[in-house]
Amino acid sequence: DTEVTQTPKHLVMGMTNKKSLKCEQHMGHRAMYWYKQKAKKPPELMFVYSYEKLSINESVPSRFSPECPNSSLLNLHLHALQPEDSALYLCASSLRTSGTDTQYFGPGTRLTVL
Amino acid sequence: AQKVTQAQTEISVVEKEDVTLDCVYETRDTTYYLFWYKQPPSGELVFLIRRNSFDEQNEISGRYSWNFQKSTSSFNFTITASQVVDSAVYFCALSETLRSNTGNQFYFGTGTSLTVIP
Repeated sequence: DTEVTQTPKHLVMGMTNKKSLKCEQHMGHRAMYWYKQKAKKPPELMFVYSYEKLSINESVPSRFSPECPNSSLLNLHLHALQPEDSALYLCASSLRTSGTDTQYFGPGTRLTVL
Repeated sequence: AQKVTQAQTEISVVEKEDVTLDCVYETRDTTYYLFWYKQPPSGELVFLIRRNSFDEQNEISGRYSWNFQKSTSSFNFTITASQVVDSAVYFCALSETLRSNTGNQFYFGTGTSLTVIP
C-alpha cells in the first residue's frame, strides 16, 4: 500500500482565517514533505521532516507553520494567508531520509484564499 | 541552471498513436536517481518509475517504456497506443545523493502536458 491521504480536498479561506491541512501515511516512512504547486508549474518544496524533526525549510513565510506530531502525521497550519498563496498543496512521504528514495504523493488540498 | 529539462510543454496526439516525452537532466553526481510521475487533472502525482544511474537497461511496463541514456543525459518516456486516460501532465525528476540524511529533494522538470484526442 503506497497511500498518502490528505484532508481537506478543497479549502476556501479568508485572509484573517486560521486553518490546517492534514496529511497521513501508514507506510512506515520516516521522511515527509510539503509542496506547493501553482497551475501549470512543477511542485515547489516547502518543508521536509526527517524522523519527525524539521530538516529543511525552503525560506517559506512564517504564515505557513508545519508540524509533525508523530511519524504518520504531518500538518500545515495556515494563518493570515495572501491571495497569492492559493495553490495545490501536496504532501509526500518516502521510506528513509537518504537522498534517493521514491516520494509518494497524496491527492493534494486545493486552497483558495479570498 | 535547470537540472531537469522537459522541452515539450504541450503535446497532442490522436488515440492509439505512440508518443515520446523527452527528459534531459544535468548532474555532477555519479550516483543519482531519475523518476517519472503522472499528474492527471485530479491533482495527485502518481509515481511511474524510478531508475538509478547504474542501471541503463530500458524498461517496459505494459504500454509504457523508458529509455535511459547516460551518454546523452536523457531519460525519455514512451507511451505506446495512447489512450484518453493517458491525458495528464507528466513530470520527470532527478534526485541526487548529495543531500543524504536530510530527506531527499527532487528537482522536477517543468512538465509536459499530454492530451490524447479520441
